[in-house]
Amino acid sequence: GAVVSQHPSRVICKSGTSVKIECRSLDFQATTMFWYRQFPKQSLMLMATSNEGSKATYEQGVEKDKFLINHASLTLSTLTVTSAHPEDSSFYICSARDPNSGEPKNIQYFGAGTRLSVL
Amino acid sequence: DQQVKQNSPSLSVQEGRISILNCDYTNSMFDYFLWYKKYPAEGPTFLISISSIKDKNEDGRFTVFLNKSAKHLSLHIVPSQPGDSAVYFCAASARGTASKLTFGTGTRLQVTL
Repeated sequence: GAVVSQHPSRVICKSGTSVKIECRSLDFQATTMFWYRQFPKQSLMLMATSNEGSKATYEQGVEKDKFLINHASLTLSTLTVTSAHPEDSSFYICSARDPNSGEPKNIQYFGAGTRLSVL
Repeated sequence: DQQVKQNSPSLSVQEGRISILNCDYTNSMFDYFLWYKKYPAEGPTFLISISSIKDKNEDGRFTVFLNKSAKHLSLHIVPSQPGDSAVYFCAASARGTASKLTFGTGTRLQVTL
């Protein structure tokens, strides 16, 4: 399947700082990428849908000013957690669809995730 | 409101036997279902999927069954191998939602020797 790279894999930061997470599709162009958050022993919760060249679509309850998403190219989407606080500590995962993969079209390929710890 | 439910948080199966992971959904608009496998500190890996126009899809040791009337699907792994030990997530998408996936809470499968 398609390869999605996510960086960094782990970040520890002080409260109040901003953290940027990158998500890249390595062997395909992704017009749409997705950002998820996973709390311990819970499901993956969709935060937002990132569309190349346009604004991201955020899920209900997700603060768009807190979680800034930029999808400036067909292979890169970034998530910036602004003014991070301890409650933002979580596992963040991105995914991408390969629009040219044919059926099944709904498959999302995931990055390895980023473990964010805010002190 | 959990639209996709995996009611068994964990399952232990002996190597060589069949593993059956279950998933229930409530949203009748879901028309595509996927199973992902996840190891700790890694992203989910796609396993197998099924469209609502089918009731079975098979890929090697993995078979997914869909019962639309019961809003239930299951993943069968046979024979189970120790390397199958992981958390399995069921996910669903609805037509017209830009392929957004709704995930279940996962089932941790342990395949013992």
